[in-house]
Amino acid sequence: DTAVSQTPKYLVTQMGNDKSIKCEQNLGHDTMYWYKQDSKKFLKIMFSYNNKELIINETVPNRFSPKSPDKAHLNLHINSLELGDSAVYFCASSRGLAGGLNEQFFGPGTRLTVL
Amino acid sequence: SQQGEEDPQALSIQEGENATMNCSYKTSINNLQWYRQNSGRGLVHLILIRSNEREKHSGRLRVTLDTSKKSSSLLITASRAADTASYFCATRDSSYKLIFGSGTRLLVRP
Repeated sequence: DTAVSQTPKYLVTQMGNDKSIKCEQNLGHDTMYWYKQDSKKFLKIMFSYNNKELIINETVPNRFSPKSPDKAHLNLHINSLELGDSAVYFCASSRGLAGGLNEQFFGPGTRLTVL
Repeated sequence: SQQGEEDPQALSIQEGENATMNCSYKTSINNLQWYRQNSGRGLVHLILIRSNEREKHSGRLRVTLDTSKKSSSLLITASRAADTASYFCATRDSSYKLIFGSGTRLLVRP
């Protein structure tokens, strides 16, 4: 019954590789997000999708490409991984648009380590 | 850009004591939210206060909001060891983004 799930939980890979992180929510929410949390615990939004449409696209390298096959899934693909991509990536979801009075539900995170 | 700044960055108290964390932000807000993050876990929503509210309670949590000072505080009363976590404030402005502060690491000693 996990509300927001992510796979994998840990990802260790070499520089230059391409990897994907998957996210699924079973809450029936319309909006999903990807956040990056750095080593200092600073959490920053990367992307947001509402009903499969991109609504937030922060200044993120175009090596990062989100894909939403349906409103319950939001995957993150990263090309040509760099050392600075090492971080914990969190998926989240919320009812309606993020600008409303809705809390966000977070997944458990994916710890990405680039060697 | 980072919107919220929590203060203090770290707080260590004895079980049973109260813990107070503060959050300051920069621009006008629609609402302010507090989240908790246990070590190695995702964030969990605690409480939301709207910009036209001044105080809100939820169990042992009390949140205040002062929009004139662009600040909020989270009070946890009668703390427990299980309250040990990082606490983040987040503000949502007129855009669709929730912007998080830098967090306060709370340690409650048994």
